Amino acid sequence: KAGVTQTPRYLIKTRGQQVTLSCSPISGHRSVSWYQQTPGQGLQFLFEYFSETQRNKGNFPGRFSGRQFSNSRSEMNVSTLELGDSALYLCASSLALGQNYGYTFGSGTRLTVV
Amino acid sequence: TQLLEQSPQFLSIQEGENLTVYCNSSSVFSSLQWYRQEPGEGPVLLVTVVTGGEVKKLKRLTFQFGDARKDSSLHITAAQPGDTGLYLCAGVWGNDMRFGAGTRLTVKP
Repeated sequence: KAGVTQTPRYLIKTRGQQVTLSCSPISGHRSVSWYQQTPGQGLQFLFEYFSETQRNKGNFPGRFSGRQFSNSRSEMNVSTLELGDSALYLCASSLALGQNYGYTFGSGTRLTVV
Repeated sequence: TQLLEQSPQFLSIQEGENLTVYCNSSSVFSSLQWYRQEPGEGPVLLVTVVTGGEVKKLKRLTFQFGDARKDSSLHITAAQPGDTGLYLCAGVWGNDMRFGAGTRLTVKP
């Protein structure tokens, strides 16, 4: 079966712009989580969605937002981009809410802010 | 401050050697997961351990969960170049999950 699909794979944006990243989970998976990965901070949790509702949120500013659609696909948006937002953004899907099930990650979107 | 401490941070060994990497916390986990990440890709789940003292084997990889469920180790026997990657542990506390900074392993042929 198809894995977790993230688009686009690479993105270059200018400071102050906004960006939308997309994630299609594995068919049947209803939970989608987003992580930011940087060399200095490692994997940092952004938020988790289940049944179109945000169930858990990490310690990121309000410029970071997301949503989930009825088909479980998810998008995350970053507004007013800063240089420090340059990172690999990873989406992970799971059968149900709760991390005990383990995640299946996508290949990520590499965002570069210049 | 990392809730999960992984050690060593970097490890470079020759093919055929054995190695152990560690994941430690002062908190008790409800479960712990190990992932491997290769350059340009997302992490791939290797194993989930739930019970204190649990040992799981995946071919040449042996995972152990500490009796007190605060620590875990990953042992690789006869490492191969294909084992090269970033090994991440992730601890779960209720609905909260945090990743360690990872151990970057390089296995030289």
